Amino acid sequence: DAGVTQSPTHLIKTRGQQVTLRCSPKSGHDTVSWYQQALGQGPQFIFQYYEEEERQRGNFPDRFSGHQFPNYSSELNVNALLLGDSALYLCASSPGRTNEKLFFGSGTQLSVL
Amino acid sequence: GENVEQHPSTLSVQEGDSAVIKCTYSDSASNYFPWYKQELGKGPQLIIDIRSNVGEKKDQRIAVTLNKTAKHFSLHITETQPEDSAVYFCAAISTGGGNKLTFGTGTQLKVEL
Repeated sequence: DAGVTQSPTHLIKTRGQQVTLRCSPKSGHDTVSWYQQALGQGPQFIFQYYEEEERQRGNFPDRFSGHQFPNYSSELNVNALLLGDSALYLCASSPGRTNEKLFFGSGTQLSVL
Repeated sequence: GENVEQHPSTLSVQEGDSAVIKCTYSDSASNYFPWYKQELGKGPQLIIDIRSNVGEKKDQRIAVTLNKTAKHFSLHITETQPEDSAVYFCAAISTGGGNKLTFGTGTQLKVEL
């Protein structure tokens, strides 16, 4: 079992650009959540996808959007990048639309210059 | 929404000693409290969790205690080993907050030889 896999591992973008991050959940999991982790901080919930729909959302602007595919994999899109979007983006998966017992990937480190 | 505070931010112990990390939460409707361990370059990994109907839970060298009245919970690691060195995060899920997972700010634990 490969667990939760994320790509790419590192990414450098400039202000105003758009970025897409990808996540494949752990085998048997159908729910994917995305978190933003700034340096020295705890992860902050962005949104959760289940059955290809956004089910929950944290306090993030509409510049942050996502998608879930029929195979349960997911994408996080961020438009009009700001310097403050620089962070580690973590994907977590779980079975059955829960936020309990989450399995996290190793994340994508995004740097916005 | 839920607010989770975590102390201390850094903790240094000698190998074999015990380590205690404390968290407080604000929402009395919170009912699930996980602890995650994050090693350098990796995503958070669930190490233990507790529900609000249980006061204490133990798993080998790790234990968690919950005081619902005071709205605080603690992680106890006994007989610490160098491989316990990592950042530890507490978190809480509040039914009143849409069952979203809120993390604390983390504790950097260093186990010295």
